[in-house]
Amino acid sequence: KAGVTQTPRYLIKTRGQQVTLSCSPISGHRSVSWYQQTPGQGLQFLFEYFSETQRNKGNFPGRFSGRQFSNSRSEMNVSTLELGDSALYLCASTTSGGSYEQYFGPGTRLTVT
Amino acid sequence: AQTVTQSQPEMSVQEAETVTLSCTYDTSESDYYLFWYKQPPSRQMILVIRQEAYKQQNATENRFSVNFQKAAKSFSLKISDSQLGDTAMYFCAFMKHSGGGADGLTFGKGTHLIIQP
Repeated sequence: KAGVTQTPRYLIKTRGQQVTLSCSPISGHRSVSWYQQTPGQGLQFLFEYFSETQRNKGNFPGRFSGRQFSNSRSEMNVSTLELGDSALYLCASTTSGGSYEQYFGPGTRLTVT
Repeated sequence: AQTVTQSQPEMSVQEAETVTLSCTYDTSESDYYLFWYKQPPSRQMILVIRQEAYKQQNATENRFSVNFQKAAKSFSLKISDSQLGDTAMYFCAFMKHSGGGADGLTFGKGTHLIIQP
């Protein structure tokens, strides 16, 4: 089975711009979660989508949003980028059946200049 | 809100030795899951082991095992016969089990484990 894929792997943007990151979960997984990893704050949960609906949300400003499509692929959008948004953004897909194991993609490294 | 604490920022052991990484957590929840993840220099997060809070038996996966003490809110990871490929950041993570499915993972700050040849 193919793992979680994320595109692009690297991205450089300028302050004030917006960015969209994409995540394709493992086949059969319907839940997709997003995390931000920075040296200062560590790993923080952004949100989780299941069947095209946001079910859970972390403590991030409204500039961070996401969506999920009918094929379970998910996108994350950050508007009005700030320097502090520079981070590794990780996507994870969760197993079905109640084991709640999350399998991560390789991440998208976003640099805001 | 949950918190996860990893008190050892860095550890270094010789190859083939056994090492134990510590993790404590704070929660008022009774139904939850605990995980250990490994993040090597490639930055790929890899699930190492999982423990359900309602299970008293400690989880084991090959050379990896946990010591889960629910009353003490402690969840340590033991790596036996350590190998050079075990060098990585190790994160302890907590997930509340809610009626709405999988909640987000709450991570500790991580322990950088170095296996010396």
